Formats: sequence, structure tokens, C-alpha cells
Amino acid sequence: DGGITQSPKYLFRKEGQNVTLSCEQNLNHDAMYWYRQDPGQGLRLIYYSQIVNDFQKGDIAEGYSVSREKKESFPLTVTSAQKNPTAFYLCASSSGTGTDTQYFGPGTRLTVL
Amino acid sequence: AQSVAQPEDQVNVAEGNPLTVKCTYSVSGNPYLFWYVQYPNRGLQFLLKYITGDNLVKGSYGFEAEFNKSQTSFHLKKPSALVSDSALYFCAVRDTAGGFKTIFGAGTRLFVKA
Repeated sequence: DGGITQSPKYLFRKEGQNVTLSCEQNLNHDAMYWYRQDPGQGLRLIYYSQIVNDFQKGDIAEGYSVSREKKESFPLTVTSAQKNPTAFYLCASSSGTGTDTQYFGPGTRLTVL
Repeated sequence: AQSVAQPEDQVNVAEGNPLTVKCTYSVSGNPYLFWYVQYPNRGLQFLLKYITGDNLVKGSYGFEAEFNKSQTSFHLKKPSALVSDSALYFCAVRDTAGGFKTIFGAGTRLFVKA
């Protein structure tokens, strides 16, 4: 899992609640990503950031929000607008060059009660 | 648009036998290709990548992959499977003409029987 940490490992959310997933990296990487993983669907990109104070929507950004105030941190908020948030969430980082490899955190499993 | 396909949901192989996990891709420009492995309830771990050069790429844990441009494939291989290789394997592609995004396949679950 390299130098990327995600917390918490497990998270339970009640209907109508916003929750924030933490992602921190100490790899000095410029780029960071959030993916959602559902069984049989692979990884789908939620948001990505190529540099501090800048981020772009991925394929499934609705119901999610992010911030990138520090190079090391890229928190993801799952809002009440996300209708089916139960999933495994993976954060990744990379150097930001065209050929770079993404390095993944250990993931957060979010369950809606 | 770029895409990647892993045609097998599951691959079963006996320990000691060679294994192959298949991946095909579609891109507009030249591809950057990656293989990752995921163990239960863990993040993805990088195995190997093809950027340019030799079509046979060697990676971690004895895995290798062969880039075939004419067949647009990037199959993952290992000469002798171990029970500990049992995991979920993801192929990913980035299109050099398509910007920043990496597309992941749906994954192939590998079972190695002792």
C-alpha cells in the first residue's frame, strides 16, 4: 500500500448523513485520485486532482465532493445526494507524468445503514 | 474512446502450472498498459507496465506480460502458479492521445488450487 493511508477502514453512514473519507500520501506525488469499487464493475473514477487547489470530476462525481488544499491530502465527502453509496472506496496517487504508475491506499468500506 | 476488456471473470489453475489472465484494449493513440493485483479488502498493488520498447514486460512476483499491438492485447502470464497468487487482477490502459484518465478493466479472479 506504499505511502498512502486511508481512514477509517470501515465506515457506517445513516441515511441523509454526509461522511468524509480521509486520504493522505507522503510520496510527494502531485496527482491524487478517488475511485469507487463495486463487485464485478472494476474501478470507476470519482474525482482526480493533478495539482494543489485544482480538481476535476471523473465519471461518477454526482453526490461526491473533494478538496485539495494540501499536496498530501485529498479528502472525499460522500453527501446525502449520493443515492447508493455503499461501496469500497480507493484513493491513489501518482507523480503526475504521462507514464506514471498509480499507487493505492488500503481502501475504506462504506456501508449505509 | 479508450476501453479495456478482461474477458474472463475467473481463471482456475493448478499450482505449478502456467497461468494466463487475458486483457484486450482499445485506444486512439498509443497505449500505456498496466497490471495490478488486489488481495481481499486491500488496495491495488502495481505488478508491471508497458510504456514502449520490448513487448515482453517483466514485473513483480515472477509475473510478466506480453504486449501485442496487432491483437491489441496485454495478457498477464506466469510460468508456474502459486496458491498465494490467488487474487483479483486488474488490467488498465491510458491512451496517450486521450489525456489524463486511466481506465480499469472489470477484473479477473484467479484461483490457484494446491
